[in-house]
Amino acid sequence: NAGVTQTPKFQVLKTGQSMTLQCAQDMNHEYMSWYRQDPGMGLRLIHYSVGAGITDQGEVPNGYNVSRSTTEDFPLRLLSAAPSQTSVYFCASRITNWGEQTTEAFFGQGTRLTVV
Amino acid sequence: SQELEQSPQSLIVQEGKNLTINCTSSKTLYGLYWYKQKYGEGLIFLMMLQKGGEEKSHEKITAKLDEKKQQSSLHITASQPSHAGIYLCGATKLNDYKLSFGAGTTVTVRA
Repeated sequence: NAGVTQTPKFQVLKTGQSMTLQCAQDMNHEYMSWYRQDPGMGLRLIHYSVGAGITDQGEVPNGYNVSRSTTEDFPLRLLSAAPSQTSVYFCASRITNWGEQTTEAFFGQGTRLTVV
Repeated sequence: SQELEQSPQSLIVQEGKNLTINCTSSKTLYGLYWYKQKYGEGLIFLMMLQKGGEEKSHEKITAKLDEKKQQSSLHITASQPSHAGIYLCGATKLNDYKLSFGAGTTVTVRA
């Protein structure tokens, strides 16, 4: 199994450009999410999804769009990049059990984005 | 704002010494996760706790969740250079599948 795959690993954008960060998982996980990591801030949740066709906002959603048309893919779109979006982005997935047990979250290797 | 408070923000420990990191929430947690990250790399899953009073150990790392499920600690015994990195606690709440994280604790191990 590949687990959670993020592309690209590195990206430099100019202010105002748009781009899509890709995230794919092959574990049939219902839950997928995007985080950004900035120094001293830990991981902040941008958007998440509990299944195909269902998305919701996290702590810092402004400037980002997501969609979930399949179980496997959860792309993150930056419509008009700003220097404040310079960060490391992580995608994660996990099983969403409706019962008693909670489950480990699997992370991609991250995308380092610089907006100049 | 982040609902999980981690302390300390950073710490420096002499190799061979013990260290403890705390993670506190004002709300009852459903699941509590500990991850480790080396600078510039991805996250490594350490442990997950769900039951009040639960304690888990792996090698020299022990994590505990208090009875009220609002506080967790991560304890490393006889620290080694390989324990250096950023430790992150994450948590879910009942009936809420969002997994949120604290700000992290940076651990430096001095030889």
